[in-house]
Amino acid sequence: KAGVTQTPRYLIKTRGQQVTLSCSPISGHRSVSWYQQTPGQGLQFLFEYFSETQRNKGNFPGRFSGRQFSNSRSEMNVSTLELGDSALYLCASSLLQNTDTQYFGPGTRLTVL
Amino acid sequence: QKEVEQDPGPLSVPEGAIVSLNCTYSNSAFQYFMWYRQYSRKGPELLMYTYSSGNKEDGRFTAQVDKSSKYISLFIRDSQPSDSATYLCAMRNNQGGKLIFGQGTELSVKP
Repeated sequence: KAGVTQTPRYLIKTRGQQVTLSCSPISGHRSVSWYQQTPGQGLQFLFEYFSETQRNKGNFPGRFSGRQFSNSRSEMNVSTLELGDSALYLCASSLLQNTDTQYFGPGTRLTVL
Repeated sequence: QKEVEQDPGPLSVPEGAIVSLNCTYSNSAFQYFMWYRQYSRKGPELLMYTYSSGNKEDGRFTAQVDKSSKYISLFIRDSQPSDSATYLCAMRNNQGGKLIFGQGTELSVKP
């Protein structure tokens, strides 16, 4: 069974631009969570989607948004990029919502110049 | 103050050593405790999962939870160079709350 895939793997943007990251969960998994990982703050929860609905949200500004499609694939969008948004963005899928057996993808490394 | 505190290291040990990794937390509502391992340029993978207090063993890995002290540990016996990675603790309450991660401890096992 294929694991969680994330595209693109690397991305370079400039301040003020927007970016869309994509995540394909493991086949059959219906929950997708997004995390931001930085050296200073570690892994921080962004949001969780289940059955196309956002079920949980972390403490991030409204510039960070996401959505989930009927096939469980998910996208997250960051608008008006800031230098501090440079991070590794990780997607994790699980069979159901609020479970602890989350399978992480390799992440998208975003650099904002 | 962060809800979960974890010493970022780095921690360097010789091959075969016993490794002890720890996290402390402040939220007494946490009931589920996990340890993830993250290799360089990879996403985290779940190593150990424990509900409430107690010990859990899986091969060379043992996870301990002491809720009275709000302290969790991961022990690695007979450490191998392939154990070199960043180890993250994570926890959440039993009401569908989000996972809260520690900062991660970078471990290096030298041959």
